[in-house]
Amino acid sequence: EPEVTQTPSHQVTQMGQEVILRCVPISNHLYFYWYRQILGQKVEFLVSFYNNEISEKSEIFDDQFSVERPDGSNFTLKIRSTKLEDSAMYFCASSEKVWAFFGQGTRLTVV
Amino acid sequence: GEDVEQSLFLSVREGDSSVINCTYTDSSSTYLYWYKQEPGAGLQLLTYIFSNMDMKQDQRLTVLLNKKDKHLSLRIADTQTGDSAIYFCAESPYGGATNKLIFGTGTLLAVQP
Repeated sequence: EPEVTQTPSHQVTQMGQEVILRCVPISNHLYFYWYRQILGQKVEFLVSFYNNEISEKSEIFDDQFSVERPDGSNFTLKIRSTKLEDSAMYFCASSEKVWAFFGQGTRLTVV
Repeated sequence: GEDVEQSLFLSVREGDSSVINCTYTDSSSTYLYWYKQEPGAGLQLLTYIFSNMDMKQDQRLTVLLNKKDKHLSLRIADTQTGDSAIYFCAESPYGGATNKLIFGTGTLLAVQP
């Protein structure tokens, strides 16, 4: 069964460092998303991406965040200068439109 | 604004039915979803319902939608210990550029053997 894969599963980084979280969406999907879940809180929408551009982003997705689809398969989330409050589980998702399939998540710990 | 609320915890005995409830605020939502999250795992799509439906059944799962009260429920028949997980209700607000999901707080279902 096709699935969304994310790497790494766990990333520890120092405050102020840049991190790149990687995702391989399901191959025939056209819409791509990043969500995050701070420990004990709701899953929050960050950004959606379609046709090689951002289609919607939340207030959380500020200038420190960027997304890219560098080739035909990968979809990345970059955080330029990480803060302690960026520590969370980050989920990538992809969809054909109606329902989204999620990856296993990357746990980001900023120390 | 858009908001989705759920009760935080539900405990049932194995073999009983579980009912997880959810309320949402955006009356224009086109699709409503239920996701399951097992410990340390990602979000698994369980089922969804289109806003013009009242009920959807899929094996042990029954979804009920009351649009007037903006209330969604998930019933799991013959609950098993493997059903222990966090269940998230999510809505897809109409009019967004894409089908972004607004998630509820999640309900932790604990199934006692």
